[in-house]
This record gives sequence, structure tokens and C-alpha cells, in this order.
Amino acid sequence: DAKTTQPNSMESNEEEPVHLPCNHSTISGTDYIHWYRQLPSQGPEYVIHGLTSNVNNRMASLAIAEDRKSSTLILHRATLRDAAVYYCILIDRNTGFQKLVFGTGTRLLVSP
Amino acid sequence: DGGITQSPKYLFRKEGQNVTLSCEQNLNHDAMYWYRQDPGQGLRLIYYSQIVNDFQKGDIAEGYSVSREKKESFPLTVTSAQKNPTAFYLCASSMLGQGDTEAFFGQGTRLTVV
Repeated sequence: DAKTTQPNSMESNEEEPVHLPCNHSTISGTDYIHWYRQLPSQGPEYVIHGLTSNVNNRMASLAIAEDRKSSTLILHRATLRDAAVYYCILIDRNTGFQKLVFGTGTRLLVSP
Repeated sequence: DGGITQSPKYLFRKEGQNVTLSCEQNLNHDAMYWYRQDPGQGLRLIYYSQIVNDFQKGDIAEGYSVSREKKESFPLTVTSAQKNPTAFYLCASSMLGQGDTEAFFGQGTRLTVV
């Protein structure tokens, strides 16, 4: 399975942009990059995904390096509700269908 | 509203007992997953299924069993063979695709062995 590496934690102030990095040097050419986040005592929720091009949605932006060995989740204006653990995941399609394999994620702390 | 429902939210089990955690979805998703999460840790895959009557072991399947008799349902049984079952259990579902579909998670079941 292709692996991802993320910092254990990051801190931000409210209303400032946040850049959450993820390294995935063994990514294959057809793996999608997904981001999920998990609030305390809740199930993870989908944030965004991409393949090669940068992606934007109402929650965040995803910047993917040209060689696809790293990506960055961008929260444009952090709020207190964005404090969560963020997981960068590569979809493993080697098994014939998508299998979600989670790493340890980055805990984002947001200060008022 | 479409979604994925886990029950119960909290479950207490005596040592040596089997317990079954429920997971139901009405999203018409083919794939379903069970994960275990320990305090301060990430999610670890227990079992997953892409079609009725078929499922595969994940990374930590020992001491667990599943069934997939209906598309909507994917119950997880924690057996007495699971030596340390106290954990937060999460169920998820997704459409089958080429890696470009999102997964939906339930709110979890917190299992405690007493």
C-alpha cells in the first residue's frame, strides 16, 4: 500500500490561512489523493480529493505537486470549528476497488 | 435523509462475550468498511466488502467477524477471541469507483469491556 507522511500537529490562529502538508513519495500514477477530517468523538468527514490538478471546493483547496509526491490541503480562513485531525489518504486500487487506508493524520489546533 | 447509521452509540461487554455492532446505510453504496480507532491513534481497517456475500480481511481482522447478507447492512461481531476490544468502532460506505468517490462514515460505536 502506498503510504503518506504528515506532521503530527500544527497550530493556527483564527481567520488565518492554514497549509497542511502531506508526503506520498510512493504514489502510483493512478492513485487519487483524498483528505478527510475528524472532529473529537465523531466519524471522519470527506474534505476534498484530486488526481493531478489543483482542486477547490467550498471547504478547502488541494494543491498537488507536479511530480505528485506531495500535496497540501489549504484552509483559506481557519475557524475554531476547523480544529480537527486531518488525514491524507491515497486510494489503494490495487485490490480491485478503493480501499481506504488511514495514517495518523495531523492534529490542527486553532486559537482565537 | 440518506446516510449511514451505527448502533448502539455506547456498548459495554463483559469479558468472554461476543457482541455485534450494527451498521446500516441507505445510500445505495456497494462498498462498506469497518475501522477500529484507539485513543490518540488513526483508523485501522478491520474488514471491508464490495458486494453482497463477499468481504475481505483488513489489517487487523483477528478476533472479528462480519457478514454482508444485504447491501444495506454490514454488521461487525467482536468475538471473545479479540484480546483488547475496548475501542471506538467506525463504519463507512462508498460507491465503487476508480478512487474518485468519497466515503461516508457513521458516528461510531464506543465499545468498553467491563
